[in-house]
Amino acid sequence: KQEVTQIPAALSVPEGENLVLNCSFTDSAIYNLQWFRQDPGKGLTSLLLIQSSQREQTSGRLNASLDKSSGRSTLYIAASQPGDSATYLCAVRLLTGNQFYFGTGTSLTVIP
Amino acid sequence: SAVISQKPSRDICQRGTSLTIQCQVDSQVTMMFWYRQQPGQSLTLIATANQGSEATYESGFVIDKFPISRPNLTFSTLTVSNMSPEDSSIYLCSGRVNTEAFFGQGTRLTVV
Repeated sequence: KQEVTQIPAALSVPEGENLVLNCSFTDSAIYNLQWFRQDPGKGLTSLLLIQSSQREQTSGRLNASLDKSSGRSTLYIAASQPGDSATYLCAVRLLTGNQFYFGTGTSLTVIP
Repeated sequence: SAVISQKPSRDICQRGTSLTIQCQVDSQVTMMFWYRQQPGQSLTLIATANQGSEATYESGFVIDKFPISRPNLTFSTLTVSNMSPEDSSIYLCSGRVNTEAFFGQGTRLTVV
């Protein structure tokens, strides 16, 4: 069974800082990996999708990388803003099956 | 991309009653997924719903407790039956378009 771990569990940074969120997974036979944002009590918003053949994806101030062999992905947020405050989840889909395996999330607070 | 409209967004229910959650997708999706997110936890898959066939339930979830309907490729419902306080959670539906997963806004359920 795929296990997905996110470190740190919580992070607090001053506005303007660049930051990195980490996601690790135990089974490297993945189909793709997706990063989501979740605001309190709300659903998930898709941020970036990385296919297994890709190394990174970028969208605006966000950059996600994937190292399948080491079972790791990082989400880099540049020039953080208070509006970035949310919980960030990574999810992994294996080559077999249709299920996503979710990490436990990183709760980010950006202080104005 | 896809937009998934989920309702209700929240509800407070008496124990022993049932609640039906609806999800409408703005495009056709082959599979829809229902998740539960208990307080402070990550997402747990309840079941996968395909049109025209019975839903496939994950270990620990049964059809009598969480009946699912999938009448067409853009709509699905999840019913939480005979509710107890332990069912208090956020429930989320999800669909995939071109391998990217999209989520509804979530239903925050409180059972009293």
